This record gives sequence, structure tokens and C-alpha cells, in this order.
Amino acid sequence: EAQVTQNPRYLITVTGKKLTVTCSQNMNHEYMSWYRQDPGLGLRQIYYSMNVEVTDKGDVPEGYKVSRKEKRNFPLILESPSPNQTSLYFCASSFLGVGSYEQYFGPGTRLTVT
Amino acid sequence: GQQVMQIPQYQHVQEGEDFTTYCNSSTTLSNIQWYKQRPGGHPVFLIQLVKSGEVKKQKRLTFQFGEAKKNSSLHITATQTTDVGTYFCAGLRSNYQLIWGAGTKLIIKP
Repeated sequence: EAQVTQNPRYLITVTGKKLTVTCSQNMNHEYMSWYRQDPGLGLRQIYYSMNVEVTDKGDVPEGYKVSRKEKRNFPLILESPSPNQTSLYFCASSFLGVGSYEQYFGPGTRLTVT
Repeated sequence: GQQVMQIPQYQHVQEGEDFTTYCNSSTTLSNIQWYKQRPGGHPVFLIQLVKSGEVKKQKRLTFQFGEAKKNSSLHITATQTTDVGTYFCAGLRSNYQLIWGAGTKLIIKP
């Protein structure tokens, strides 16, 4: 089944404790991205990647890191989480090229930083 | 910051009434996509519009892309309870960055 998986689905952590949220897709998509969703603000893109070893900042990259060492995986790293990073995070992927850029979303990771 | 404005933020309708949400971008977009997010779920792709002035229909849903490729709308005719959710537009910039509207929540009055 074609899908985007994220882990963990829920995470409660404390300020400053490094964490990684994993994202994996099995559709051989070139494009992957991370979003955070906050009430009233919609989806804001954190980072995106157009291929292996190619990453770019989105609208809200501060406090986050990403890497794209393999085509299928795009982990999101919070080196020193702070309470303002409490949010719902989505990973998404799509093909890149002529045609549709339909984004396939993972189920989301709800992060709470205390 | 947000560069695609989407209005309204909420729309309450009686079942059977129509619903419309609008998106406006400050810059020209390569394309615009529409997504639906059910409560507790993740966004699901509905459609992509690419050409200036394009109109596409999916059953009761009509999508339009403006002539200048800076605005778009989604219109639902005769809403049903299954239409409940938040509808987002997302504009693709030339550098492949997606810029999202804040969403319009469709609420069906009891």
C-alpha cells in the first residue's frame, strides 16, 4: 500500500531534549517536506527536499534540522526543543516533474514540549 | 509569513446550502492545489489547477483558477454532512515551495 509513515504519532518531551521524528514513503517520490499545523495558521512549511542531499528552508525553519540521505526517508530533528514548537507536524511527499504535484501526507505527529 | 490569504476562516451553512472559499496570492503561482482535512485527519488532495482561467468540476465541487494565476476558489453546491472539514488551498511557487492558505472550516448547522 502506497503510504507515508511518521513516528512517533504522539510525543511529550521537555525543553532542550533532542528529538527526531521519522518520515518514510514507499512511493519513490523525489519531493518530501515537513509542515507544522497550528490553529488559525494553517500549514506552514518547515523544510522541503527535492531529492537526496538537496534540502531547502520553508517558511518556518528556525529550530529545526532535516536530512535526506536516502530517497525514502526525511527525518525532522529538533536539537533543543522549546515550548513554542508544540504543534501538530505532518510529513508529505510527491513526485516532482511534469504533471501533478499531489502531496501525500503522513498521519501526523502531535508534539508537546513542556 | 503567510502569502496566500484564504477567506473566510469559518463558514456555517445549513445542509443543502452552498459553500465557497477563496484564496488570493500576492505573487503569481505555477499552480494551485486544493486539499480537504477531516477533523482529526490529515490533508487529502482534491485537485490541481495549472492553467490561467482553468475551471474543473468534481461532482458538486467547482474549482477555479484566476486569469492572473493569483487567485482561486472552491465552490460546493448543496452541501452534505460528508463535506464537513477544513479546505485548504496551496500555491506552488517557481522554486517548488508550497505556500498554504490558513484554511476554511465548513461547519454544517444542526
